Amino acid sequence: GQNIDQPTEMTATEGAIVQINCTYQTSGFNGLFWYQQHAGEAPTFLSYNVLDGLEEKGRFSSFLSRSKGYSYLLLKELQMKDSASYLCAVRDHPATDKLIFGTGTRLQVFP
Amino acid sequence: DTEVTQTPKHLVMGMTNKKSLKCEQHMGHRAMYWYKQKAKKPPELMFVYSYEKLSINESVPSRFSPECPNSSLLNLHLHALQPEDSALYLCASSQASSGLSSYEQYFGPGTRLTVT
Repeated sequence: GQNIDQPTEMTATEGAIVQINCTYQTSGFNGLFWYQQHAGEAPTFLSYNVLDGLEEKGRFSSFLSRSKGYSYLLLKELQMKDSASYLCAVRDHPATDKLIFGTGTRLQVFP
Repeated sequence: DTEVTQTPKHLVMGMTNKKSLKCEQHMGHRAMYWYKQKAKKPPELMFVYSYEKLSINESVPSRFSPECPNSSLLNLHLHALQPEDSALYLCASSQASSGLSSYEQYFGPGTRLTVT
C-alpha cells in the first residue's frame, strides 16, 4: 500500500527553528513535494526533492533520503505567518501526474 | 500569470440539484486536477486530466462528473450529491510530467461546497 506519515501537530516559538518530518512507503518514487496551506486557503508550493540531499530556499530547506524513505522540511527564523499546515506529497509513478499527499502537519508558532 | 481561478467560491445545494464547479488557468499547463479536501485533512485526488484526456479517476462516485472542454478549462458537474460530499473542492494545474521530470501543482482557492 501507499503510506506517507507526518506528525499531526507541532508548536514552536517565533524566531526558532522547526523540523517537520515525513516518512513514506510507496510503490515507486519520482519526487517529493512540500506544500504550505494556511487555514481556508489553497496549498502553495514550497520545495521539491528528487535526489538525495538538501535543497535550500531562503528560510526553508528540504532534505531527502531515498534509501530511508524520509524527508524533512526545515523552517528557520520562524514568523507568526508560518503558522499553517505543511503537506508532504510523493509522485510515485513516472507515467502519471498523480501526487499522494501525507497526513499533513499543523504548525502553530507562538510569540 | 500564475493563477488558477475557481468559481463559485461558495456553493450550497440540495441533494436533488445539479450544479457545476469551474476552474480556469492560463499558464499553458496541460495537466489539471480535481481534489476534495475535508477539514483538517490533506487533499484527496479525484481526477486528473492530461492533455485534455481523463488519465486518472480515483474511483469517484458517478454523481461527480468531470469535463475538460479545452486546455484552459476544467469543470466538475455535480448531481444528486449527499451531505457527506460537503467539502472544499480544489482545482490544480501543472505542466504535464514526463518520465523523471516532475512539476509543482498550482492550486486554485477552492469552492466550499455545502450539500443540504
